[in-house]
Amino acid sequence: DTEVTQTPKHLVMGMTNKKSLKCEQHMGHRAMYWYKQKAKKPPELMFVYSYEKLSINESVPSRFSPECPNSSLLNLHLHALQPEDSALYLCASSQLGTGGFSGANVLTFGAGSRLTVL
Amino acid sequence: GESVGLHLPTLSVQEGDNSIINCAYSNSASDYFIWYKQESGKGPQFIIDIRSNMDKRQGQRVTVLLNKTVKHLSLQIAATQPGDSAVYFCAVLRRQLTFGSGTQLTVLP
Repeated sequence: DTEVTQTPKHLVMGMTNKKSLKCEQHMGHRAMYWYKQKAKKPPELMFVYSYEKLSINESVPSRFSPECPNSSLLNLHLHALQPEDSALYLCASSQLGTGGFSGANVLTFGAGSRLTVL
Repeated sequence: GESVGLHLPTLSVQEGDNSIINCAYSNSASDYFIWYKQESGKGPQFIIDIRSNMDKRQGQRVTVLLNKTVKHLSLQIAATQPGDSAVYFCAVLRRQLTFGSGTQLTVLP
C-alpha cells in the first residue's frame, strides 16, 4: 500500500460548524503533515507530526486543531473557520521527520480535501 | 530561510517536443531538491530528486539538472505527452520542504 487516503474529498461548512478532515497511511511512515493549498498557489506547510508528536506548527490559527491518534492516522479538526480558509487541504507522510536530507524524507501526498467555508 | 521561485508560471509545448521547466532557489546551503507534478484534482506526485553533490540525474523521460553556482535547477521532459499536462513544482528540503510557485505545463496537440 503506497497511498495516503484523505476523507472527505469535498466538505462544505458554515462558519459556526465543527468538522474534521481525516488522513490515513499504511506505509509505516513515521512523519505526517498537513498542508494548505489555495488555487494556483504552492502547498503551504501547516503542521508536522513526527513519531506521533507535534513537531512543527507554522503559526496556524487555533481554529485548526491537528490530532495524531496513532502512527497511521492524522486528523485536522476545524471550528469557527472563515471563508478565507477555503482551500485544498493536503495530507502527506514520509519515512522520517525533520532534519534528514535523504530520499526517506520524500513526501507522499494524498489527493486532498477540498474545503469550502460559507 | 529559503525562497524558491520558478521562472515561468505557464509553459505551452507541442506534443512530442521537449519541455524545460526552470527553478531558482536562494539558500546556497540547500542540500536536496525535489520535483513534484500536480494534476488537476490530485495531490502533488513525486517525479525525481537530486542531491547537491550531483549535477544531473535521469529518470524515465525526465532529467533534472542542478547548477549550484547560480542556484538554479531545471526539469527536462523528453517527448512531452498529453498526460504530462500539469502544474510542476520544484521543492527544496532543508528543515522542511519549501515549494516554488509552480509552472503550469500545457501540451498542445
